[in-house]
Amino acid sequence: EAEVAQSPRYKITEKSQAVAFWCDPISGHATLYWYRQILGQGPELLVQFQDESVVDDSQLPKDRFSAERLKGVDSTLKIQPAELGDSAMYLCASSLVGGAEAFFGQGTRLTVV
Amino acid sequence: RKEVEQDPGPFNVPEGATVAFNCTYSNSASQSFFWYRQDCRKEPKLLMSVYSSGNEDGRFTAQLNRASQYISLLIRDSKLSDSATYLCVGTNFNKFYFGSGTKLNVKP
Repeated sequence: EAEVAQSPRYKITEKSQAVAFWCDPISGHATLYWYRQILGQGPELLVQFQDESVVDDSQLPKDRFSAERLKGVDSTLKIQPAELGDSAMYLCASSLVGGAEAFFGQGTRLTVV
Repeated sequence: RKEVEQDPGPFNVPEGATVAFNCTYSNSASQSFFWYRQDCRKEPKLLMSVYSSGNEDGRFTAQLNRASQYISLLIRDSKLSDSATYLCVGTNFNKFYFGSGTKLNVKP
């Protein structure tokens, strides 16, 4: 069964350092999402791509977060500098098209110390 | 107001019970709806899509009520393994909106 791949699974970083997460969606899925989830809350959309284009990044803190999907396949989410409040699970998901059933990777659990 | 709202629970039910969750959505233009299941510290997994006519998958039944703008999930004959958080999703203009989740605890 095709899966969304994410790495790393866990990341501990110091405040003010840079951190990057990688996601490889299911082959053929044009839409890729990055979500942040704080324990006890639902996932919050950070950025949505359609192929290589950003469809929605209205909730992305652009002063410190950036995301790219250069060839419309895999994607990287970066935080620089990391802050204590960034500690959360970062989830990547993909779907054939926007609004269709989305499938999630296992996530990256980030702890900022 | 959030796009999708859910009762956070927890719902504590005995094994074998029937339990139902509702989820309301604020945008009448929302097109598609889904239920996801999320185990503690794991990723959300698609449980089922929700169709206007209602749909059933084994012990799980999902319903959509567009007039009242809510969707529901009914779980019959609850199992211990059903204990999880259930996330409701609505879509609008190809964007996914998650609720905060409803926690279910099934007890022996």
